[in-house]
Amino acid sequence: GENVEQHPSTLSVQEGDSAVIKCTYSDSASNYFPWYKQELGKRPQLIIDIRSNVGEKKDQRIAVTLNKTAKHFSLHITETQPEDSAVYFCAASRDGGSQGNLIFGKGTKLSVKP
Amino acid sequence: NAGVTQTPKFQVLKTGQSMTLQCAQDMNHEYMSWYRQDPGMGLRLIHYSVGAGITDQGEVPNGYNVSRSTTEDFPLRLLSAAPSQTSVYFCASSYSGTRGYEQYFGPGTRLTVT
Repeated sequence: GENVEQHPSTLSVQEGDSAVIKCTYSDSASNYFPWYKQELGKRPQLIIDIRSNVGEKKDQRIAVTLNKTAKHFSLHITETQPEDSAVYFCAASRDGGSQGNLIFGKGTKLSVKP
Repeated sequence: NAGVTQTPKFQVLKTGQSMTLQCAQDMNHEYMSWYRQDPGMGLRLIHYSVGAGITDQGEVPNGYNVSRSTTEDFPLRLLSAAPSQTSVYFCASSYSGTRGYEQYFGPGTRLTVT
């Protein structure tokens, strides 16, 4: 069935370093790829998203890249700060692009050490 | 706007009991969905709805029922609770189509089944 693989499951970086999280998806019809940040005990919140007609999108220290041919997309966080510590989830749309019907990866716990 | 609200925040049930998790949104979103979140498993879609009167199954629908009689409300019913349904449940809503893609999550309901 449809699947989203996310790596690594844990990531520890020093403050100021970059962090990269990678996801692969199986459904060729997926065309919407959001990334969510979830702090402990809180709800997931969208931090950036990309659609399949775009290869890269950037928002300040956060960027997402998409390779539709290889079916993978990545989150890049530059100049990491302690407040970036959280669990990050990637997701891909299902059913030919219905953005509300998402398959999530299992998450990456990012720790940024001061 | 209150956004997406969920009640209760916490619930303990005994095996075999039934209950309804409430979800409401005041953003006039067509799309609503229910996810469960288990440690190391990410978010898995239980049921979703693309509008009032229309619902469909997600990845893990067994043991749960939903209905969507109004745009605002999307309750999730557990008919006969089982320990395997111990989880954190998130409701989410979004616009459908091209008007917007972000899914807005509620604060979650932490359910324990003993």
